[in-house]
Amino acid sequence: EAQVTQNPRYLITVTGKKLTVTCSQNMNHEYMSWYRQDPGLGLRQIYYSMNVEVTDKGDVPEGYKVSRKEKRNFPLILESPSPNQTSLYFCASSLAPSYEQYFGPGTRLTVT
Amino acid sequence: GEDVEQSLFLSVREGDSSVINCTYTDSSSTYLYWYKQEPGAGLQLLTYIFSNMDMKQDQRLTVLLNKKDKHLSLRIADTQTGDSAIYFCAEGDTGRRALTFGSGTRLQVQP
Repeated sequence: EAQVTQNPRYLITVTGKKLTVTCSQNMNHEYMSWYRQDPGLGLRQIYYSMNVEVTDKGDVPEGYKVSRKEKRNFPLILESPSPNQTSLYFCASSLAPSYEQYFGPGTRLTVT
Repeated sequence: GEDVEQSLFLSVREGDSSVINCTYTDSSSTYLYWYKQEPGAGLQLLTYIFSNMDMKQDQRLTVLLNKKDKHLSLRIADTQTGDSAIYFCAEGDTGRRALTFGSGTRLQVQP
């Protein structure tokens, strides 16, 4: 089954404690992306990747890092989480940036 | 830059038609999408339309595109309680780094 998986689905952590949210796709897509969803703000892109070892900033990259060492995986790293990073995070993949995006189920992060 | 706007909330009665509207600013938009997000889930593609089309119908869904006014609408016929969700409009074009999403319209279906 074609899918994007994310882990964990729910995470509560404290300020400053490094965390990683994993994302994996099984569709051989070149393009992958991370979004955060906040009430009234819709989806905002954090980082994206056009291919292995090619990543770039989206609209709201501050406080986040990503890596793309393999085509299927695109982890999101928060080196020092802060409460304003409390949000719902989605990973997505597609053949190209403007083509249909396939979304993961989301990770709800709470930073206290 | 690109911008996509949607109204935040729509309430309809079961069995009625729902119309969700979206406006966008970029006249070069080639791909226009409607996504559905159910509670606790990710976004799923509902339907799409290319800029060279005016209308697309898929069972209970009808998408209308007015390129002159940069207006996109999604009509759901015979709306059911299972259609209650947030609906996102998104647009994109070749060469862009990402789709641009609207802020989503929450559809509430009253039994």
